[in-house]
Amino acid sequence: DGGITQSPKYLFRKEGQNVTLSCEQNLNHDAMYWYRQDPGQGLRLIYYSQIVNDFQKGDIAEGYSVSREKKESFPLTVTSAQKNPTAFYLCASRASRDVGVTDTQYFGPGTRLTVL
Amino acid sequence: QKEVEQNSGPLSVPEGAIASLNCTYSDRGSQSFFWYRQYSGKSPELIMSIYSNGDKEDGRFTAQLNKASQYVSLLIRDSQPSDSATYLCAVNNFGNEKLTFGTGTRLTIIP
Repeated sequence: DGGITQSPKYLFRKEGQNVTLSCEQNLNHDAMYWYRQDPGQGLRLIYYSQIVNDFQKGDIAEGYSVSREKKESFPLTVTSAQKNPTAFYLCASRASRDVGVTDTQYFGPGTRLTVL
Repeated sequence: QKEVEQNSGPLSVPEGAIASLNCTYSDRGSQSFFWYRQYSGKSPELIMSIYSNGDKEDGRFTAQLNKASQYVSLLIRDSQPSDSATYLCAVNNFGNEKLTFGTGTRLTIIP
């Protein structure tokens, strides 16, 4: 059963805590992405990775960190430096950057993070 | 000017009618175009992708691309209440590692 999994589905964090969101894919996709979505808004890119052990900042990377030690996994850490972390976090993956079917991004089910 | 623009809606369409969703983009080098559907509280799911000028049909959905005018549209025929969702337009340039998303159009199908 191929796809993208994210865990947990819901996450509650106290102010000042770091939390890590999991994203795993078994699609053998090269690229992985993290987005943030706030109510009534579009998707904003946090970080992305094209290959193992390499990643780049997106548009809103401050207060977040990532790692890409395995092709299948791209965890996101929301640090205490992120001042307004309450949001819906989406992980996506893409087979390759070649124009055509392989450049489609597919999304995981998401993690809803709430800061208490 | 936003890179990818969509009317935020809400767009209300009677059941059985055609829903028309529009998207304009600013980068003339864009080559890949995507429509995603997102139900409330859920993640986006791919509806259609289109790469060449013209129409592409898949069941009740038709994507239309006009690169000269820099717009892409999605038509939903015989609209059903289950089509009520937010529709996201996304655009990619050749070799670009990132998709650019519009803010989405909220569609409501009225029974």
